[in-house]
Amino acid sequence: GAGVSQSPSNKVTEKGKDVELRCDPISGHTALYWYRQSLGQGLEFLIYFQGNSAPDKSGLPSDRFSAERTGGSVSTLTIQRTQQEDSAVYLCASSLGPGDTEAFFGQGTRLTVV
Amino acid sequence: QQQVKQSPQSLIVQKGGISIINCAYENTAFDYFPWYQQFPGKGPALLIAIRPDVSEKKEGRFTISFNKSAKQFSLHIMDSQPGDSATYFCAARRTGFQKLVFGTGTRLLVSP
Repeated sequence: GAGVSQSPSNKVTEKGKDVELRCDPISGHTALYWYRQSLGQGLEFLIYFQGNSAPDKSGLPSDRFSAERTGGSVSTLTIQRTQQEDSAVYLCASSLGPGDTEAFFGQGTRLTVV
Repeated sequence: QQQVKQSPQSLIVQKGGISIINCAYENTAFDYFPWYQQFPGKGPALLIAIRPDVSEKKEGRFTISFNKSAKQFSLHIMDSQPGDSATYFCAARRTGFQKLVFGTGTRLLVSP
C-alpha cells in the first residue's frame, strides 16, 4: 500500500476484555515497530520486528501485551485483560530494514478502555 | 540515560516569527537525532534529522542545531506559518539499536 495502515482507527473495550490491533506496513519494508502514545506524553517504544522475528521486545509493559508478525508483513498487537491504563494511541511504523533511518508511521489506533 | 528531555511543552508564535524547540539527552551513544511533526489524528512524520558529526542542518524553513558537547539539539522554524501548527517531537536513536527514544512533545500554535 501507499502507507502504513492500521485498524481499527478507534476501539472502545470494556476492562478485562482482550483486544487485537492490526498493522499493515509499507510493502517491502522488513522492519516494523509498535509505539504507544499516551495523552500528553511522547511515544513509548513497545516492540521491534525484523522480518517475522522480534529482536527487541524490551518496551512491552507487561505479559498482557504480545505481538506477532506473519509473512514478514502484517503485524498484530494483542492486549489481554485490558486495564484502564492501557488507554492510549497505539502507533505502528515501518522502515525498509535495519539501519535504515526513516520510519513511516501509521495514523494509529485509539484504544479506550472503559 | 535513555531519556530525551524536550521543552517547552507548548509554544505560541506569531506568523512570520521564529519557533524554537529544545531537546537534551544524556546518553552519548545516541547517534541519530530526528524531529517528527504530528497533526491531530495523524501519525508522526519525519521532518528533519541530524547526526552528531555536523552542527547544523537546514531544510527549507527548518533547521536543526546540534551541540555535541552540551548534549543538546534544537529545532528552529523560520518564518513560522499557521500551517506549521502541530505537535513536534524530538527523538534519538542509539548505535546498534532500532528503537527511537522520544521527547514528550511540543504543541506549537502559530497565530495568523
